[in-house]
Amino acid sequence: EAQVTQNPRYLITVTGKKLTVTCSQNMNHEYMSWYRQDPGLGLRQIYYSMNVEVTDKGDVPEGYKVSRKEKRNFPLILESPSPNQTSLYFCASSARDSPYNEQFFGPGTRLTVL
Amino acid sequence: AQSVAQPEDQVNVAEGNPLTVKCTYSVSGNPYLFWYVQYPNRGLQFLLKYITGDNLVKGSYGFEAEFNKSQTSFHLKKPSALVSDSALYFCAVRADNAGNNRKLIWGLGTSLAVNP
Repeated sequence: EAQVTQNPRYLITVTGKKLTVTCSQNMNHEYMSWYRQDPGLGLRQIYYSMNVEVTDKGDVPEGYKVSRKEKRNFPLILESPSPNQTSLYFCASSARDSPYNEQFFGPGTRLTVL
Repeated sequence: AQSVAQPEDQVNVAEGNPLTVKCTYSVSGNPYLFWYVQYPNRGLQFLLKYITGDNLVKGSYGFEAEFNKSQTSFHLKKPSALVSDSALYFCAVRADNAGNNRKLIWGLGTSLAVNP
């Protein structure tokens, strides 16, 4: 089954404790992206990747890191999480960075930073 | 600047009635328009898109959307709503001359409630 998976689905952590949210897709997609979803703010892009070893900042990259060492994986790293990073996070992928390609989304990771 | 507006935070309809979820956009250049749906505790799912051609686009689950260039709108419609259609709906747009700005511009979402 074609899918985007994320782990963990739920995470409660404390301020400053480094964490990684994994994202993997099995569709051989070139383009991958991370979003956060907050009430009243909709979806905001954190980082995206055009292909292996190619990443770039989205709208709200502060406090986050990403890497793209393999085509299928695009982990999101919070080196020192803070309470304002409490949010619902989505990973997404599409075949390539074309303006008319739809994106496939993972199930989401709900992160709480205390 | 590119933007998307979903003027209604919430839409309530009775089951069996037609539904419309509104979306207007602003881009320079030709728009590529998308609708996504988010069911509770799930990720977003692609519903339909307008790229070019026929202004009426048909998508998943019986949904359709009409592209209106003069009104810069892309409203989502369904002739007969189901309770299972209750979800959060997102409109998104991207211009064909976006250059290095590759990201989609997202609306804030409209919560659809279909009442039995």
